[in-house]
Amino acid sequence: EPEVTQTPSHQVTQMGQEVILRCVPISNHLYFYWYRQILGQKVEFLVSFYNNEISEKSEIFDDQFSVERPDGSNFTLKIRSTKLEDSAMYFCASSSQIQETQYFGPGTRLLVL
Amino acid sequence: AQSVSQHNHHVILSEAASLELGCNYSYGGTVNLFWYVQYPGQHLQLLLKYFSGDPLVKGIKGFEAEFIKSKFSFNLRKPSVQWSDTAEYFCAVYQAGTALIFGKGTTLSVSS
Repeated sequence: EPEVTQTPSHQVTQMGQEVILRCVPISNHLYFYWYRQILGQKVEFLVSFYNNEISEKSEIFDDQFSVERPDGSNFTLKIRSTKLEDSAMYFCASSSQIQETQYFGPGTRLLVL
Repeated sequence: AQSVSQHNHHVILSEAASLELGCNYSYGGTVNLFWYVQYPGQHLQLLLKYFSGDPLVKGIKGFEAEFIKSKFSFNLRKPSVQWSDTAEYFCAVYQAGTALIFGKGTTLSVSS
């Protein structure tokens, strides 16, 4: 069964550094998403992406965040200058259509020191 | 804005006990509803979903959920839990747009 994959599984970085989280969505899916879960809190929506542009973004997704689909398979989330409060599990997801089931990757655990 | 409440934070059951996990959402318009499960060390997986039709939906591994529109609820049930059901369970809702809104999750611990 096709799966969403994410790399790396864990990332430790220093505050102020840039990080790029990578995702490979399911190959025939058209919609891509990033979510995050701070320890002990809800899974929160960050951004959705369709047809090479952002469809929707939350208040969390400020100017420090960007997304890109650099080629036909990868979908990346970049955090330009990490803050301590960016420490969280970041999940990528994809779906075939809008409002359809989203399939999630295993997550990247980001720790900002 | 849409919000999702899961009232049970941590549920502890013995094997063969029945399970019901509550989920309520705040907005009364048309919604698509989901239950996801996260087994220890694994990623979020879809258990079941409701888009329309029969309000009683059946999912994988013997789980079912009932959509009650008048109560804004989508409770998850299983008649007899197994040790392997130990996991975290998330209710999620689409209202409009592309964002899934999640509840805080319920940790289920099943003892054998």
